[in-house]
Amino acid sequence: AQSVTQPDIHITVSEGASLELRCNYSYGATPYLFWYVQSPGQGLQLLLKYFSGDTLVQGIKGFEAEFKRSQSSFNLRKPSVHWSDAAEYFCAVVLTGGTSYGKLTFGQGTILTVHP
Amino acid sequence: DVKVTQSSRYLVKRTGEKVFLECVQDMDHENMFWYRQDPGLGLRLIYFSYDVKMKEKGDIPEGYSVSREKKERFSLILESASTNQTSMYLCASSLMADEQFFGPGTRLTVL
Repeated sequence: AQSVTQPDIHITVSEGASLELRCNYSYGATPYLFWYVQSPGQGLQLLLKYFSGDTLVQGIKGFEAEFKRSQSSFNLRKPSVHWSDAAEYFCAVVLTGGTSYGKLTFGQGTILTVHP
Repeated sequence: DVKVTQSSRYLVKRTGEKVFLECVQDMDHENMFWYRQDPGLGLRLIYFSYDVKMKEKGDIPEGYSVSREKKERFSLILESASTNQTSMYLCASSLMADEQFFGPGTRLTVL
């Protein structure tokens, strides 16, 4: 069965510092890949997605992610973190084709704390 | 903008009660999903539906059922609520295998 791993449960960074959130997946083919963000008390908002093509994808709020097939990874990055980025971040993959119906498999989430 | 709405933000029920959580989307999406979210466990899929009157079990369907009588509406039913069903419940919709759009969530407490 496919799985998604986010190794870091909680990350703390200073405002203005760079950020990288890790995501690894286990799946026999290249799935569709997503990063979502959840602010406290809110639903999930899509940051970016990768289906095919350029392995470096740009998203909203200054985030980007790089797909590395050899490492089965899809890490999220931001060059300079803002206090408003404090939230929980979820990596997700979806099976394509067949009877997947777009079912997402989520990682456990990474909570980001930003110090002033 | 796609909008997914959920009937309640907060809900408190007693053990043994029948609970209905309603979800409505306004973008004519075929697929709709119900998740529960618990700290440290991420989001886990309870049920999903790919068409009216169609439903499929997700990863944790035990204790839940669903109903989809109209394309825009997907209901989650707890036949007899138990304390271990206290959780955040999130509804989502999507077109094919593209991104899912999420509602704001319902925080359910079962006493």
